[in-house]
Amino acid sequence: DVKVTQSSRYLVKRTGEKVFLECVQDMDHENMFWYRQDPGLGLRLIYFSYDVKMKEKGDIPEGYSVSREKKERFSLILESASTNQTSMYLCASILSGEGHEQYFGPGTRLTVT
Amino acid sequence: DQQVKQNSPSLSVQEGRISILNCDYTNSMFDYFLWYKKYPAEGPTFLISISSIKDKNEDGRFTVFLNKSAKHLSLHIVPSQPGDSAVYFCAASPEGGSEKLVFGKGTKLTVNP
Repeated sequence: DVKVTQSSRYLVKRTGEKVFLECVQDMDHENMFWYRQDPGLGLRLIYFSYDVKMKEKGDIPEGYSVSREKKERFSLILESASTNQTSMYLCASILSGEGHEQYFGPGTRLTVT
Repeated sequence: DQQVKQNSPSLSVQEGRISILNCDYTNSMFDYFLWYKKYPAEGPTFLISISSIKDKNEDGRFTVFLNKSAKHLSLHIVPSQPGDSAVYFCAASPEGGSEKLVFGKGTKLTVNP
């Protein structure tokens, strides 16, 4: 079974802080994703990575950066947290090729005060 | 521009009855479709998928129907159970096996005992 883990389930940070969200998958998947989920807006893609040290912007990359130094780990960084970044953050991974599904982590509920 | 649309934000059904969740898409290049289920404070879990070469796929109480000419798919849950109460996301993948999924905004299903 694929396991995707996220470093924290709940996190409270202050405006202006630098925030690191970590994601680890154990199935050697090439592709990893960061989404945020907000009520009424569904899942919005922030960044994704299809290989180590490779990254691409998703639909809402502003205010975020990512790091993928190892295949199993994909980090999301909020350079200077703002209250509008309060959200549920979801990490996912997927095998390359057709006919596969993305596997999601449990999510990190981030509150920025 | 929303390429995957779930026009009903919510749906309420009685236990034992059929739940029908709908999804429309605009991009004719999509050829693989998935449904995810999400409970509050958890990551989405994969439910069922369908390739564009099929018009139906069944897994236990869950059946997905695809109407390519109408660019419409639906998820049927029969019989519905209270534990099915969750948010359901429809997702689509373009032709060629892209790992990047396009998600709808979700439909919140409530199954009443």
